[in-house]
Formats: sequence, structure tokens, C-alpha cells
Amino acid sequence: DGGITQSPKYLFRKEGQNVTLSCEQNLNHDAMYWYRQDPGQGLRLIYYSQIVNDFQKGDIAEGYSVSREKKESFPLTVTSAQKNPTAFYLCASSNPGGSGEQYFGPGTRLTVT
Amino acid sequence: GQSLEQPSEVTAVEGAIVQINCTYQTSGFYGLSWYQQHDGGAPTFLSYNGLDGLEETGRFSSFLSRSDSYGYLLLQELQMKDSASYFCAVLGGATNKLIFGTGTLLAVQP
Repeated sequence: DGGITQSPKYLFRKEGQNVTLSCEQNLNHDAMYWYRQDPGQGLRLIYYSQIVNDFQKGDIAEGYSVSREKKESFPLTVTSAQKNPTAFYLCASSNPGGSGEQYFGPGTRLTVT
Repeated sequence: GQSLEQPSEVTAVEGAIVQINCTYQTSGFYGLSWYQQHDGGAPTFLSYNGLDGLEETGRFSSFLSRSDSYGYLLLQELQMKDSASYFCAVLGGATNKLIFGTGTLLAVQP
């Protein structure tokens, strides 16, 4: 079955530690995206990538980093510089071009204490 | 700046029709998408309007008026399983990058 996987579903970390969230897709999509969602809020774009080895900052990139070494994978690192990292993180992918349709993974709920 | 406005909550009864409005102000506009998200789950794509008018997909329809910077999602024959958050999202360019609204929580009551 084609889809997007994110792991783990729940992640707990101590303040000051970097943590990397996994996102893998087998939909053969060129574009991938990372969003952050806080309780009762919409999705805010952290980073996106239109093609392998290229990515752009979204609206809230500070304190985050990404890489896109393979078409299938787009890991997100939440660094210790992110002031308020506790949130629900969603990865998505899409075909290029303006269709307005993105496919989302199940998300990772990160709690930092 | 860029902003999308939706009502925060809507309540309706099973079998009824409900309309969720979305007004937007963005620097670029290609079209308007709608997504559904059940509590704790992943958003799923419902519809996309690139042109003015009504798009129908089963019980769900979506409308766009570019001149009014306005769109809506219409849900008919409401079912309990339709209880979820609904997000409008503006497609700002050809890159498929979306700007999401803050969502409308729909509660369907028996």
C-alpha cells in the first residue's frame, strides 16, 4: 500500500536535546512538507522540499532543520534552539504543480519537558 | 500579511446541512482546498476549487468566489462520523504550498 509513514507516534525528550522525526513516503511524490500543529490551531509550515537535495524554509523554520537526500525521505530535526517544541508534527507529500492536494502521514506527537 | 478566517465551532444535528465559510487574504492565490481532520488524526483532502463555482463530491460540496475572496464547504445529510475539524487552505502558487486556516470544529449531534 502506498502512503506516508512517520515514526514514532509519540516521542518524549528532555529540554536541551535535539530530536529527529522520521518521514518516509512511497507515493513517488517529488514534494514533501513538514507542519506543526498546536492544540486548537491550524497547520503551520516549517520546511518544504520540491525536489531531492533542495528545501526551503516555511513560516516557522527557526529552531528546526531538515535534509532531503532521498526522494522517499524527509527527516525533521527539532533542535534545542526551538523555544517551544512540544507539538503535533505532520509530514505531507504531493505531486508537483497546483492541485491543492497533499497526503499526510499519521503524525508524531512530541513532548519536551 | 496573509490570513484565512473560519468560524471556530459549528454545531448541527444528524441529517442536517451545514456550511463552513472561509474568507482569505493572501499575497498569491491559485485555489482553495478543504481538509478534514478527526481528533488526533491526519488531515485528509476533501476538495479543491481552482475556478469560481461549485464542486460536488458526494455529500460534500465546495464553492469559491475569487472576487469576494470567499469560499465555503457544504456538508449534506450529516452523519455522526462527520464530527471533525475542517480546514480551508489557500494554494498560493504553483509549488503546491498551502496556507491553512485555523480550522472549524464541527460537532454533529444525534
